[in-house]
Amino acid sequence: QLQLQESGPGLVKPSETLSLTCIVSGDSISSRSYYWGWIRQPPGKGLEWIGSMYYSGSTYYNPSLKSRVTIFVDTSNNQFSLKLSSVAAADTAVYYCARGPGAAGIFDYWGQGTLVTVSS
Amino acid sequence: QLVLTQSPSASASLGASVKLTCTLSSGHSSYAIAWLQQQPEKGPRYLMKLNSDGSHNKGDGIPDRFSGSSSGAERYLTISSLQSEDEADYYCQTWGTGIWVFGGGTKVTVL
Repeated sequence: QLQLQESGPGLVKPSETLSLTCIVSGDSISSRSYYWGWIRQPPGKGLEWIGSMYYSGSTYYNPSLKSRVTIFVDTSNNQFSLKLSSVAAADTAVYYCARGPGAAGIFDYWGQGTLVTVSS
Repeated sequence: QLVLTQSPSASASLGASVKLTCTLSSGHSSYAIAWLQQQPEKGPRYLMKLNSDGSHNKGDGIPDRFSGSSSGAERYLTISSLQSEDEADYYCQTWGTGIWVFGGGTKVTVL
C-alpha cells in the first residue's frame, strides 16, 4: 500500500527557506508511471497547487510561486523534496505531497500533511 | 485562463442526496476533472476522475453512493444516502499542459 509522509520543520522565520521532504513507501519514486506533487492549504482556506515533477526530471511550478520554488527527487532514499525561498506569513499553510498516475492529471494518493508556520 | 468555480456551501438531510457542481472556465468545457473529499482535520482523499462524457473512474474503496456526471462545462458530484461522515469539504481539480488547478471547494453540511 502506497504511503506518503511529509517531514520538515514546523516553524520557519520570515525571509528564510522552507524545506520539506516527502518519504514514499510502498512504491518506487523512480517509476516512469507516476508524477509527484506538492500542494498547500493555508489555515481555513482551499487547496493551492505548488508544483509537480515527472520521473523524466521535468518540473512544473505554479506561476505565482515559480520564482521561489524548487522540487527535486532523491532516488536513493525514495523521496522528493520542496524548497520555497524568501517565505513570508502568507506561506503559512499545511503542506501536502501527493502522487499522480501517468498522464492522468489527477492526484490519487496524498500524505497526511504537515503544518508550516512562518513567524519570527 | 483555466479556472474551476464551486459554490461555497451545500446542505442536505441525513439519508438524502446532494449534487455538487464544478464549472470549467470558458474554452475548457472538454476537460476532465477529479473530485476530492476532505473531512475535518484530515488530508484530501481522491474520489474519482470525471470525464467530459460523464464516464468516471473511482478511487479504491469509494462507495457506490458517490457518482459523477457531466453536462457541457459543468461537472457534478452526487452523494446519495448521505451519511454523517460525508460532512466534509469537496474540491474539484483539473489540469492542463504544465499546470494543475483546484476549485475553491464546497462545504457539505449533513442536517
